Amino acid sequence: DVKVTQSSRYLVKRTGEKVFLECVQDMDHENMFWYRQDPGLGLRLIYFSYDVKMKEKGDIPEGYSVSREKKERFSLILESASTNQTSMYLCASSHVNTGELFFGEGSRLTVL
Amino acid sequence: QKEVEQDPGPLSVPEGAIVSLNCTYSNSAFQYFMWYRQYSRKGPELLMYTYSSGNKEDGRFTAQVDKSSKYISLFIRDSQPSDSATYLCAMSVGSGGSNYKLTFGKGTLLTVNP
Repeated sequence: DVKVTQSSRYLVKRTGEKVFLECVQDMDHENMFWYRQDPGLGLRLIYFSYDVKMKEKGDIPEGYSVSREKKERFSLILESASTNQTSMYLCASSHVNTGELFFGEGSRLTVL
Repeated sequence: QKEVEQDPGPLSVPEGAIVSLNCTYSNSAFQYFMWYRQYSRKGPELLMYTYSSGNKEDGRFTAQVDKSSKYISLFIRDSQPSDSATYLCAMSVGSGGSNYKLTFGKGTLLTVNP
């Protein structure tokens, strides 16, 4: 079974803290993605990566950075968390030749 | 005009009903169409994947694509309470290379009542 694992299901952080969200996939996929999902706004792409050490900005990259040092791992970093970053964060991966995304279970982040 | 429009619902139906979920899109370059199902507090999971215009059937689910009208549908026959979830349509220009980014609808919340 294909698997995308997000390290933390629920996190509570304080404004200004640095936050790391980790994602690991076991499908040898080239592409990995970070989305956030908010009521009424749907899924919005933050960053994606099509290869190790490669990244591209999505639709809402401000306030976020990413790291992909190994093919199976894609990290999302909030340098200084703010309350408007309270959201559900979803990691996904896909094979280079298909558009089928496989999602993790999500990480619900609350910033106080 | 948004690239992908999807009625957010909520949609509430009795068990056994036929459910129709729809999305319209404006970008005629979209070639690949998907439906994802998302249960509460879970990540989306791929339900159907289609390329060409026409119908694709998988058990109780049928995906329909009409490229001339820029309209896609998902039909659920004999709906069950376990079908209660948010359904997201998604589409992309291509299946590989730089065209792997999906554009999602905002999702329709479906409740099937026993």
